Amino acid sequence: DAGVIQSPRHEVTEMGQEVTLRCKPISGHNSLFWYRQTMMRGLELLIYFNNNVPIDDSGMPEDRFSAKMPNASFSTLKIQPSEPRDSAVYFCASTLGGDEAFFGQGTRLTVV
Amino acid sequence: SQQGEEDPQALSIQEGENATMNCSYKTSINNLQWYRQNSGRGLVHLILIRSNEREKHSGRLRVTLDTSKKSSSLLITASRAADTASYFCATDARGYSTLTFGKGTMLLVSP
Repeated sequence: DAGVIQSPRHEVTEMGQEVTLRCKPISGHNSLFWYRQTMMRGLELLIYFNNNVPIDDSGMPEDRFSAKMPNASFSTLKIQPSEPRDSAVYFCASTLGGDEAFFGQGTRLTVV
Repeated sequence: SQQGEEDPQALSIQEGENATMNCSYKTSINNLQWYRQNSGRGLVHLILIRSNEREKHSGRLRVTLDTSKKSSSLLITASRAADTASYFCATDARGYSTLTFGKGTMLLVSP
């Protein structure tokens, strides 16, 4: 298996633009997580899907952030409009049964 | 808020020495996991210890768990330069099988 695949690896965008991050979880995994990592705040859980259904989105910073999982093999995290404080590395991870999490390589987002 | 807090924040040792990192958490857990992150990469799972276990080994890794103190330790024996990375503990305290991470310990192993 290729592991969890995220795209793009790097994204530079201007403030106010829409940003869409993509994730393909490991085939057969039933849980998917989006995390954001910054030096100041560490790794923050943004949202958790189980069987494609959002279970816990309490970590989503505000209404500018939205996430979808239309099927078991694809998820998106969208920021609209983006702001400089959204600059971070965004990770997607998937699990089967809730134990070991497999992380993607991350998307480094820079909003200027 | 962070569930797990690692200590120390940074650790610098020589190759061949042992490295010990600690993690404290706040609420009851089902399991505690340790992950490694190399610079610019995603996190990689190292080891999982369940709440009814006290110690676990995997290669050069030894993890202990003290649920009464809500703490865990990760010991890396005979460290190598390739062990240089950040190490995170993660707990599933939310009860939804989600993982909450600490801010990590940065380990530097010098040749």
